[in-house]
Amino acid sequence: GPKVLQIPSHQIIDMGQMVTLNCDPVSNHLYFYWYKQILGQQMEFLVNFYNGKVMEKSKLFKDQFSVERPDGSYFTLKIQPTALEDSAVYFCASSLRGQKNERLFFGHGTKLSVL
Amino acid sequence: QQKVQQSPESLSVPEGGMASLNCTSSDRNFQYFWWYRQHSGEGPKALMSIFSDGDKKEGRFTAHLNKASLHVSLHIRDSQPSDSALYFCAASGATGGNNKLTFGQGTVLSVIP
Repeated sequence: GPKVLQIPSHQIIDMGQMVTLNCDPVSNHLYFYWYKQILGQQMEFLVNFYNGKVMEKSKLFKDQFSVERPDGSYFTLKIQPTALEDSAVYFCASSLRGQKNERLFFGHGTKLSVL
Repeated sequence: QQKVQQSPESLSVPEGGMASLNCTSSDRNFQYFWWYRQHSGEGPKALMSIFSDGDKKEGRFTAHLNKASLHVSLHIRDSQPSDSALYFCAASGATGGNNKLTFGQGTVLSVIP
């Protein structure tokens, strides 16, 4: 089936550094998402993105967070600077048209460890 | 307050048994419900959707929705060890332009061989 690829699978950085998480969505999908999962528990919505713009973001999407997808490249989540509480697994997802009755396809996640 | 609440937090069933997972929403804006399954080290994968009142059956899996009470359930018959995973109930609303899924806190299912 359709696959979302995330790179890297694990990232370890020092607090205060910048980190970029990369996502290669399903090729014909138009809507992209980031979710945060702590300790294998609840999936928390961060942001969704369409046509080069943030459509909606949650309170977890702090000012230090940004997303972009330059033409033909990865959909990225950048955190600058990082904080200890940013340690989590970050999941990228995509959907075809962003409609509410559509399923989201998730990647395997990037585990971020902030030391 | 959690907008999507799941119960139980964890569940153990014998192989071949029936597993029943529950989900309740506190937000009447939610109209579209999904069950996602997450195996260890992977991302969640959509298992099935249910948008109308009543039952929906797909193989060994049956979902039930009661919109009046905003209650959704998932029943897995003839449970297999490969069904052992974290199960999420997820919901999206009828209003607004974007597909933003709100997840419950998950139910850990263990199927004992």
